[in-house]
Amino acid sequence: AQTVTQSQPEMSVQEAETVTLSCTYDTSESDYYLFWYKQPPSRQMILVIRQEAYKQQNATENRFSVNFQKAAKSFSLKISDSQLGDAAMYFCAYRRTQGGSEKLVFGKGTKLTVNP
Amino acid sequence: GAGVSQSPSNKVTEKGKDVELRCDPISGHTALYWYRQSLGQGLEFLIYFQGNSAPDKSGLPSDRFSAERTGGSVSTLTIQRTQQEDSAVYLCASSFSSGSADTQYFGPGTRLTVL
Repeated sequence: AQTVTQSQPEMSVQEAETVTLSCTYDTSESDYYLFWYKQPPSRQMILVIRQEAYKQQNATENRFSVNFQKAAKSFSLKISDSQLGDAAMYFCAYRRTQGGSEKLVFGKGTKLTVNP
Repeated sequence: GAGVSQSPSNKVTEKGKDVELRCDPISGHTALYWYRQSLGQGLEFLIYFQGNSAPDKSGLPSDRFSAERTGGSVSTLTIQRTQQEDSAVYLCASSFSSGSADTQYFGPGTRLTVL
């Protein structure tokens, strides 16, 4: 079974600074998808960024980018120019590409605090 | 509506009572998922629907939990004889299809408290 590990329960960053959230995963599959979701206090999970495992290029969405290291099974999220609105729980998630369940497997989450 | 909606937003019930949680997916989305978020267990998958059928029910924790989807749209998650350990936030998500390339869009969740 696939597992996702987020080793940082909490992180903090100063406004306008850069922060990196870590995620590792365990799978025997060669093709899959990885996601970062943000959950603010409103509880609504919002997709931040996703990465297809077959793509070598790291995904980027505005201030958010990932460092995907397939061999190391590592998928970290970098937030540049942090803003107060970035404060939330961040979840890393894994999804297989074929053969059975389409479910997302989540890590335990990292609580990000942004200090003014 | 523009997004996934869930009702009620909050539900407080007494141990032993039955509860129904509702999910309205994004119009046109054929795939629907239920997840549970609790302090001790994090986010756990419960069940997945493609249309009205449920190819994967592997996450339902006991036979007290059931779900159905009618008309390829609204889904109801039913918990019978609720227990205190059922207290959690129940999240629903939908996607355009069941293809793994498709993003799952989440609703705001229902917070269930069992006294």
